[in-house]
Amino acid sequence: AQTVTQSQPEMSVQEAETVTLSCTYDTSESDYYLFWYKQPPSRQMILVIRQEAYKQQNATENRFSVNFQKAAKSFSLKISDSQLGDAAMYFCAYRSYVRASSNYKLTFGKGTLLTVNP
Amino acid sequence: GAGVSQSPSNKVTEKGKDVELRCDPISGHTALYWYRQSLGQGLEFLIYFQGNSAPDKSGLPSDRFSAERTGGSVSTLTIQRTQQEDSAVYLCASSLRRQNGYTFGSGTRLTVV
Repeated sequence: AQTVTQSQPEMSVQEAETVTLSCTYDTSESDYYLFWYKQPPSRQMILVIRQEAYKQQNATENRFSVNFQKAAKSFSLKISDSQLGDAAMYFCAYRSYVRASSNYKLTFGKGTLLTVNP
Repeated sequence: GAGVSQSPSNKVTEKGKDVELRCDPISGHTALYWYRQSLGQGLEFLIYFQGNSAPDKSGLPSDRFSAERTGGSVSTLTIQRTQQEDSAVYLCASSLRRQNGYTFGSGTRLTVV
């Protein structure tokens, strides 16, 4: 079974600075997807960024980028030019890429609470 | 609808009572998931529906938990004889079958007193 570990329960960053959230995972599969979700106080999980394991290029979405190290099974999220609205709980998640399977279950880490200081 | 809708937003119930939580997925999304988020924990998979296929119930923690999806759309998660450890946020999500990410609702916060 796959596991996802987020070793930083809490992080803080000054507004306009850069912060990196860590995520490691354990799997025996070679093809899979990785995601970062953001959960603000409204509770709705919002997809921030996703990465396909077969792609060597790191995904980027505006101020959000990832550092995907497949061999090390590491998938960190970098937030540049942090804004007050970035304050939220961030979850790393894993999904198998099994063509024959109809189950698209996500396995989540326990989350990192990000505080942005003005 | 435009997003995944869950109701009620908050529910307080007495220990031993039954509760029903509702999820209305995005129109056309064939896959629907229920997850549970307990305080300080990540999301725990409960159950998965895909079209007319038999649901994957492998995440349901006990036989007090059940779920159904009527007409391939609205889903109801039922918890019978609620216990204090059932207190959590219950999140529903839906997706197109082969979409890489889901859309989540805002969840139902269940408090068992």
